[in-house]
Amino acid sequence: EAQVTQNPRYLITVTGKKLTVTCSQNMNHEYMSWYRQDPGLGLRQIYYSMNVEVTDKGDVPEGYKVSRKEKRNFPLILESPSPNQTSLYFCASSLRGRTGELFFGEGSRLTVL
Amino acid sequence: AQTVTQSQPEMSVQEAETVTLSCTYDTSESDYYLFWYKQPPSRQMILVIRQEAYKQQNATENRFSVNFQKAAKSFSLKISDSQLGDAAMYFCAYRSAWVETSGSRLTFGEGTQLTVNP
Repeated sequence: EAQVTQNPRYLITVTGKKLTVTCSQNMNHEYMSWYRQDPGLGLRQIYYSMNVEVTDKGDVPEGYKVSRKEKRNFPLILESPSPNQTSLYFCASSLRGRTGELFFGEGSRLTVL
Repeated sequence: AQTVTQSQPEMSVQEAETVTLSCTYDTSESDYYLFWYKQPPSRQMILVIRQEAYKQQNATENRFSVNFQKAAKSFSLKISDSQLGDAAMYFCAYRSAWVETSGSRLTFGEGTQLTVNP
């Protein structure tokens, strides 16, 4: 089954404790990205990757890191989480090209105390 | 930069009735795509309908249709014969056709929470 898999789905952590949210897709997509969803703000892009070893900032990259060492994986790293990073996070992927439909993961609910 | 605005934070409709969700956007591009996504309580993002800007014909998918007004930069979603399962958060989204520089980046509106009353 074609899918984008995120882990963990739920996480409660404390300020400053490094964490990684993993994202993996099995569709051989070149393009992958991370979004965060906050009430009243919709979804905003954090980082994206056009291919292996190619990443770039989205609209709200502060406090996040990413890496793309393999085509299928695109982890989101919070080096020192803060309460304002409490949010719902989505990973998404697509084929490269103008008609590439974006496939979303199921979301990861992160709470930073 | 492109922006998407949904001015209705909440809407409600009676089962079997019709409801229209509004969306406006701003862009200087002429070639782009517009989308409506549905997010039920499960949080899954489900693509409802997609419109290509260079196509004048409004997209339809079963009970879902759009009213795309390119000059007015308006993209509303009409849900006919509303069902209880239509209750969800709905997001309007924009994507440039120039994906070689921006990838499949979506710009989302704030969302409209739709309630369907039995």
